[in-house]
Amino acid sequence: NAGVTQTPKFQVLKTGQSMTLQCAQDMNHNSMYWYRQDPGMGLRLIYYSASEGTTDKGEVPNGYNVSRLNKREFSLRLESAAPSQTSVYFCASSFPGQGAAQYFGPGTRLLVL
Amino acid sequence: QKEVEQDPGPLSVPEGAIVSLNCTYSNSAFQYFMWYRQYSRKGPELLMYTYSSGNKEDGRFTAQVDKSSKYISLFIRDSQPSDSATYLCAMSGSGGYQKVTFGTGTKLQVIP
Repeated sequence: NAGVTQTPKFQVLKTGQSMTLQCAQDMNHNSMYWYRQDPGMGLRLIYYSASEGTTDKGEVPNGYNVSRLNKREFSLRLESAAPSQTSVYFCASSFPGQGAAQYFGPGTRLLVL
Repeated sequence: QKEVEQDPGPLSVPEGAIVSLNCTYSNSAFQYFMWYRQYSRKGPELLMYTYSSGNKEDGRFTAQVDKSSKYISLFIRDSQPSDSATYLCAMSGSGGYQKVTFGTGTKLQVIP
């Protein structure tokens, strides 16, 4: 039981390049989330998927797109990376419904030059 | 004003001390309260989960929620060097999908 896995662990991009961050969970959770974590800002929600087939914007969606590929997988795409997107990205998952605790992956550290 | 306020620390304590970590919040609709532990360069790990007011104990950890004061606490008894990490509080409301709002985290160092 791996929980939430993320790939890659670390990535360096040049401004304007694109990339996709992958996330998978094996806990049979319905809901999945993408956060970014920056010093002094805490965790900020980028996008979430309450259930397979649905996605919604969070606090900071600009510059990102997501795909809920199936129940297990939720990917985050940067179409044209900017230095402001340098951050640590975390994927999380939970059962649906109010107050459900979220379980996080190990993170992807992204540096955009 | 942020919805959730958390002292960033760092907080340094000697091994064996009792640690008190706190968060205040402004949204009276919050009903679910969580504490996460995050080691350096790792993802947040769920530590404690409570609903509404009251106390919850799990081993050396006790979570307290005082909704009247909009104040939550995490106590760590007999602190160990392995407790050195950043602790994030988190909370959410009820009724349909409710996003989770996180504090910015308090960095704790337990000195042997």
